[in-house]
Amino acid sequence: GAVVSQHPSWVICKSGTSVKIECRSLDFQATTMFWYRQFPKQSLMLMATSNEGSKATYEQGVEKDKFLINHASLTLSTLTVTSAHPEDSSFYICSARERGGHTYEQYFGPGTRLTVT
Amino acid sequence: DQQVKQNSPSLSVQEGRISILNCDYTNSMFDYFLWYKKYPAEGPTFLISISSIKDKNEDGRFTVFLNKSAKHLSLHIVPSQPGDSAVYFCAASAQVGNEKLTFGTGTRLTIIP
Repeated sequence: GAVVSQHPSWVICKSGTSVKIECRSLDFQATTMFWYRQFPKQSLMLMATSNEGSKATYEQGVEKDKFLINHASLTLSTLTVTSAHPEDSSFYICSARERGGHTYEQYFGPGTRLTVT
Repeated sequence: DQQVKQNSPSLSVQEGRISILNCDYTNSMFDYFLWYKKYPAEGPTFLISISSIKDKNEDGRFTVFLNKSAKHLSLHIVPSQPGDSAVYFCAASAQVGNEKLTFGTGTRLTIIP
């Protein structure tokens, strides 16, 4: 159980376009979902926390108008990278916390590799 | 400011021997620590965790030790198996109810058959 999927697994887009990444909890309801990005050989950096039905909470330094997060249901959250630029190229990973689950338990998706040309 | 550090980017261990992965932290407010394992092109998977009220937690081949005074934790894997080859991240959280995890930079463990 506790499977999280992400779609697409990789995407290449042109500079200036927008890209949407989906994160789904397949077999549980996720009250909270988290979005991370990881640069090569670096740590996972939390970008934002989203709770179902409410606005996402962004970490310091993350542009909320650039990284739009929607958590419309208990099984789906989306991250839209707007007006993407090459510096946005990264590995984006989502995680989900199960409703009623331990505060610290997060189940991670497989990640999405974004390349902006 | 890297609050969770894994100073060894890589580690190679002979199959059957003990693997010891280390993690240091600077934030004294951290009170819960986790270890995750990550294969290439996959998301991290949870391995083991420890609360700050304990100094040791064991689960099968995996044991995590916490030294609060030194702000140091370690993950011991014994015996090491080829399937343990992966990148290992330690993560920390501060205060009950705070869901945020702060991750270290990871250590790539290679088990030599």
